[in-house]
Amino acid sequence: GAVVSQHPSWVICKSGTSVKIECRSLDFQATTMFWYRQFPKQSLMLMATSNEGSKATYEQGVEKDKFLINHASLTLSTLTVTSAHPEDSSFYICSARLRENTEAFFGQGTRLTVV
Amino acid sequence: GQNIDQPTEMTATEGAIVQINCTYQTSGFNGLFWYQQHAGEAPTFLSYNVLDGLEEKGRFSSFLSRSKGYSYLLLKELQMKDSASYLCAVSDSNYQLIWGAGTKLIIKP
Repeated sequence: GAVVSQHPSWVICKSGTSVKIECRSLDFQATTMFWYRQFPKQSLMLMATSNEGSKATYEQGVEKDKFLINHASLTLSTLTVTSAHPEDSSFYICSARLRENTEAFFGQGTRLTVV
Repeated sequence: GQNIDQPTEMTATEGAIVQINCTYQTSGFNGLFWYQQHAGEAPTFLSYNVLDGLEEKGRFSSFLSRSKGYSYLLLKELQMKDSASYLCAVSDSNYQLIWGAGTKLIIKP
């Protein structure tokens, strides 16, 4: 199957700092990537849909100024958590699909801990 | 609204068979996916159903009934490594994936 690589796998940062997470599709071009957040023992929560060359589409309740998404190329999307706070600590996962109705391939996920 | 229901947790014995159910109510339907997610890891794809019936893939099978809004994932010859959460996801009319909360499967020796 297709490969999606996410980096870093885990990060610890101080409250008030910003953290950037990268998501790359290694063997296919992804015009659309998806960013999810998952709290312990809960399901995946879609945060935003990242569109190459245009603005991301954010889900209701997700602050676009806090979670900056950039999809600069067909193989790279980045999520920047700005001015992170402890409540932003979570597991962040990106995914991409080859076509609209095919399975989603996931990156390895990033465990963010804000102290 | 859109809704997907799965049992929160199930327990089964190594070597046995377990069936994980998923019911859904979505705006349109373009297929149903099952994913496996081990703790602390990202989900991995298991199966895809878009037509009614049973899809078999090794020890795992997935069934779909569109008229009933119902699917199940059947795991045979359970192994300890099958202990994980199993996520049901439906692709709606806009091809957006709607995720269930997941079923935590505990395998006992």
